[in-house]
Amino acid sequence: SYVLTQPPSVSVAPGQTARITCGGNNIGSKSVHWYQQRPGQAPVLVVYDDSDRPSGIPERFSGSNSGNTATLTISRVEAGDEADYYCQVWDSSSDHPVFGGGTKLTVL
Amino acid sequence: QVQLVQSGAEVKKPGASVKVSCKASGYRFTDYYMHWVRQAPGQGLEWMGWINPNSGGTNSAQKFQGRVTMTRDTSISTAYMELSRLRSDDTALYYCARGYPFMDVWGQGTTVTVSS
Repeated sequence: SYVLTQPPSVSVAPGQTARITCGGNNIGSKSVHWYQQRPGQAPVLVVYDDSDRPSGIPERFSGSNSGNTATLTISRVEAGDEADYYCQVWDSSSDHPVFGGGTKLTVL
Repeated sequence: QVQLVQSGAEVKKPGASVKVSCKASGYRFTDYYMHWVRQAPGQGLEWMGWINPNSGGTNSAQKFQGRVTMTRDTSISTAYMELSRLRSDDTALYYCARGYPFMDVWGQGTTVTVSS
């Protein structure tokens, strides 16, 4: 089964840029989706198909994907961005989604 | 508006079964896959399975095969997930979420506690 690897934690000061990575074998050939989960809440889709944003998601959230690494970038980080972030791809060989282990973003 | 509303919290004994419902509204129920994803306390998201509400076809993660049953009732736009032979490590928050290949709408979650 396809494996996605995320760093357990990332820390950033308010106003700075946070970059959360998601590693996988040739992940650049897949579409990557990102979810934000604030404490006590259900996950929310923040980026889909590598770099598209659902309506209502700020432009500060962006994504890229190439080679063996996909990246979620959050610009001008705010306190409200503190959350767990998960990447996800669809594993076509098993016909089901795969989640990364999640990254806790701490705003210092 | 599009939403998924799940059934309430459950407390079960080891060995029992639990059935969680997920009622969809605001869109055509048969147009989107429905997934079940669980989250144990302090842990990450774990995909359990999906059901195609149009055909009734399902696919589940290998670790749950034989224990999970996913069904739907299109007349009331509701999906169900039943997990049998419950163990203490099945204690978790269970979510339904619609979509393929990503999940754009999530339910509020249903807490299932397994305890003797």
